[in-house]
Amino acid sequence: NAGVTQTPKFQVLKTGQSMTLQCAQDMNHNSMYWYRQDPGMGLRLIYYSASEGTTDKGEVPNGYNVSRLNKREFSLRLESAAPSQTSVYFCASSVTDRGNSPLHFGNGTRLTVT
Amino acid sequence: QKEVEQDPGPLSVPEGAIVSLNCTYSNSAFQYFMWYRQYSRKGPELLMYTYSSGNKEDGRFTAQVDKSSKYISLFIRDSQPSDSATYLCATRAGNNRLAFGKGNQVVVIP
Repeated sequence: NAGVTQTPKFQVLKTGQSMTLQCAQDMNHNSMYWYRQDPGMGLRLIYYSASEGTTDKGEVPNGYNVSRLNKREFSLRLESAAPSQTSVYFCASSVTDRGNSPLHFGNGTRLTVT
Repeated sequence: QKEVEQDPGPLSVPEGAIVSLNCTYSNSAFQYFMWYRQYSRKGPELLMYTYSSGNKEDGRFTAQVDKSSKYISLFIRDSQPSDSATYLCATRAGNNRLAFGKGNQVVVIP
């Protein structure tokens, strides 16, 4: 029962470097999300994909890009990392983006930008 | 105004006590409310959800929505050390996205 798998689990970047966070789900869910979690700020939505082929900005999209590669995979790219992007990043998926369809989360990627 | 507000203060209780957590939400049109539990270094997991107003009970957990005051609550009876975690409230907000509160860290002391 893999659920939502995120790689890598930990990453340290220097300012200006780029990287891609990978996320895959095996629950045949239509909707996928990227959140960041910071102390005192809670979970904030970066981007989401309501269904394969669509992506939309969330609350804090600046500095990030996403790709919904197929129904299973949704990646998050940092083109030029900044210290303000030090955070824990969570990927999530749900059957739909409506009603009480619950989100299923991965265990996060802990990113430090120095 | 944030869609959902949760005072992020930590809470320590002795084992067996009742834990009471609260959030407020901004828009009376919101209808779906959820509580997530997050253990240290893990992703959040859905604990309970309610639709519209009223109570929902699941074992030692009760979720309550008061639409008149735009207040949502989670009660944990007979709290156990295994309940030590961060609890986040959430609501389905504008554009169908899930908006989260900041979370309450709960510590149950044996």
